[in-house]
Amino acid sequence: QKEVEQDPGPLSVPEGAIVSLNCTYSNSAFQYFMWYRQYSRKGPELLMYTYSSGNKEDGRFTAQVDKSSKYISLFIRDSQPSDSATYLCALGDDKIIFGKGTRLHILP
Amino acid sequence: EAEVAQSPRYKITEKSQAVAFWCDPISGHATLYWYRQILGQGPELLVQFQDESVVDDSQLPKDRFSAERLKGVDSTLKIQPAELGDSAMYLCASSLSERHEQYFGPGTRLTVT
Repeated sequence: QKEVEQDPGPLSVPEGAIVSLNCTYSNSAFQYFMWYRQYSRKGPELLMYTYSSGNKEDGRFTAQVDKSSKYISLFIRDSQPSDSATYLCALGDDKIIFGKGTRLHILP
Repeated sequence: EAEVAQSPRYKITEKSQAVAFWCDPISGHATLYWYRQILGQGPELLVQFQDESVVDDSQLPKDRFSAERLKGVDSTLKIQPAELGDSAMYLCASSLSERHEQYFGPGTRLTVT
């Protein structure tokens, strides 16, 4: 079993919909959790950083961590075509492990 | 807004040639990372520096790859000789220290022919 599992997609949703992106992990030592957005041929852009179970909200983005289930999520409200990108989860303890990324398409 | 700078943005080289990438982290960031990202995959750590010292280079192919951060600020990653399988995006990231948020540069896309 890989340390971090992330569905590669692609995930296509209509503009304005709520998007749910998820990662599962096996190593309970992970202590902090990040979500990145990566546009084609660009570097990853940090969206959310959290180190505790529960929800963290920033604008249209909400990060959710459930350490007991080893499951993290990123919710995007009122999705826009500009949200079309690959979303990477990243989990860290002594080092950071990235998921493979989920490709998201927001359809106008 | 402070950003991580990388150059060149694109590099095409022939196999067996040497190639070098440069990274300038966000000012004040003590930790610097070099990652390699293959299309369709997440970034994989090659080397991590804390100031000028290497903290982790366990995944760096040391027979052909080298990295340095002599003054604890900017950093260079070198490949010699390049192989076809080295074609990838090379990403630099920095953070205030370990376990803090990492901020990425735009990357260098390497194509080896």
